[in-house]
Amino acid sequence: QQQVKQSPQSLIVQKGGISIINCAYENTAFDYFPWYQQFPGKGPALLIAIRPDVSEKKEGRFTISFNKSAKQFSLHIMDSQPGDSATYFCAASKASGSRLTFGEGTQLTVNP
Amino acid sequence: GAGVSQSPSNKVTEKGKDVELRCDPISGHTALYWYRQSLGQGLEFLIYFQGNSAPDKSGLPSDRFSAERTGGSVSTLTIQRTQQEDSAVYLCASSLNRDRGTGELFFGEGSRLTVL
Repeated sequence: QQQVKQSPQSLIVQKGGISIINCAYENTAFDYFPWYQQFPGKGPALLIAIRPDVSEKKEGRFTISFNKSAKQFSLHIMDSQPGDSATYFCAASKASGSRLTFGEGTQLTVNP
Repeated sequence: GAGVSQSPSNKVTEKGKDVELRCDPISGHTALYWYRQSLGQGLEFLIYFQGNSAPDKSGLPSDRFSAERTGGSVSTLTIQRTQQEDSAVYLCASSLNRDRGTGELFFGEGSRLTVL
């Protein structure tokens, strides 16, 4: 059962634009929602994370928006740069353990 | 080392052979995970070790897959009688105990397995 659904599968934006990636989850026990960034040939690395007690978290150009009632969360990348071109994964885990369930990934391309 | 180390980085094997993939986690990290990433796909959970607790093996796709973690540190993922559908990048990650840490997973660069 796919517990975290991510969209779109791929995204192309122009330099300076806003990139938006969405995720939806099913399990209401999830209480930790990170986003990971992966460059080709590398392992994923944590980008930003949020817990359900807040609706938004911002770190530099990256913002997570969280909607607990809709069981959705999204990543916004402001002023997108070519160096942001990578695959982005959302994920979620339960309070009782730290096993992360990942979404299917979004391949972001930022054109110069 | 400073990060999670995986070996080999690339492995080509023939169908039916056994393979072993090694993961050396960050020192002091009590949790260790194996994930599988097929070409253009997401991250599929395989197995999770946390300290001395029994591992969560619920993601292993078949009984051909097994993993162990010796001394709470190095882990080996073994795939017996490999099949072509086993071809993928196998990623290892480690983290601090979540109750005391941020829950952040630190990934290695993966072992790319190709089964001919």
